[in-house]
Amino acid sequence: DVKVTQSSRYLVKRTGEKVFLECVQDMDHENMFWYRQDPGLGLRLIYFSYDVKMKEKGDIPEGYSVSREKKERFSLILESASTNQTSMYLCASSPGQVVDEQFFGPGTRLTVL
Amino acid sequence: AQKITQTQPGMFVQEKEAVTLDCTYDTSDPSYGLFWYKQPSSGEMIFLIYQGSYDQQNATEGRYSLNFQKARKSANLVISASQLGDSAMYFCAMRRGTGRRALTFGSGTRLQVQP
Repeated sequence: DVKVTQSSRYLVKRTGEKVFLECVQDMDHENMFWYRQDPGLGLRLIYFSYDVKMKEKGDIPEGYSVSREKKERFSLILESASTNQTSMYLCASSPGQVVDEQFFGPGTRLTVL
Repeated sequence: AQKITQTQPGMFVQEKEAVTLDCTYDTSDPSYGLFWYKQPSSGEMIFLIYQGSYDQQNATEGRYSLNFQKARKSANLVISASQLGDSAMYFCAMRRGTGRRALTFGSGTRLQVQP
């Protein structure tokens, strides 16, 4: 069974802290994605990666960075957390095939105080 | 730039009835893919159905069908014989052109199925 896991379901951090959100997939997928989900806005793409050490900015990359040192792991980093980064963060992966359905992790609800 | 519009923030349907969730899209790419995902209250995103821009037939998956009208740039999801377990958020999404694998999502529609 395909699986995408995220390191935490809930996380509370202080303003200014450096925050790491980890995502691991066990499907040998080429592509990995980070989205944030806010009410009324749907999911918005932060960053994605199509290969190890490769990354591309999405629609809202400001205040975030990513790391993909191994194919199965894609990390989202909040360099200095701010209250407007309080959100649900969803990681996804896809195999890079014709349909290329994305498989999502359970999400991390991050609160920045 | 690609854009997905879902104009129905919330919908109600009676159990066993059919319901249509609207989705319109905007893109200048000739090749694209359209997806529908379901997000129950537990939060996980569940893939429902896919339609490629060159597919001649409307996609169907069990009780789900996608009413694809290319000229009108619409990709409505039809759920037949609604069940209580269909109560969830539904997101329409579009893959961003050939070779680009990220998705652009709409704002979602919350469907509530009433007994």
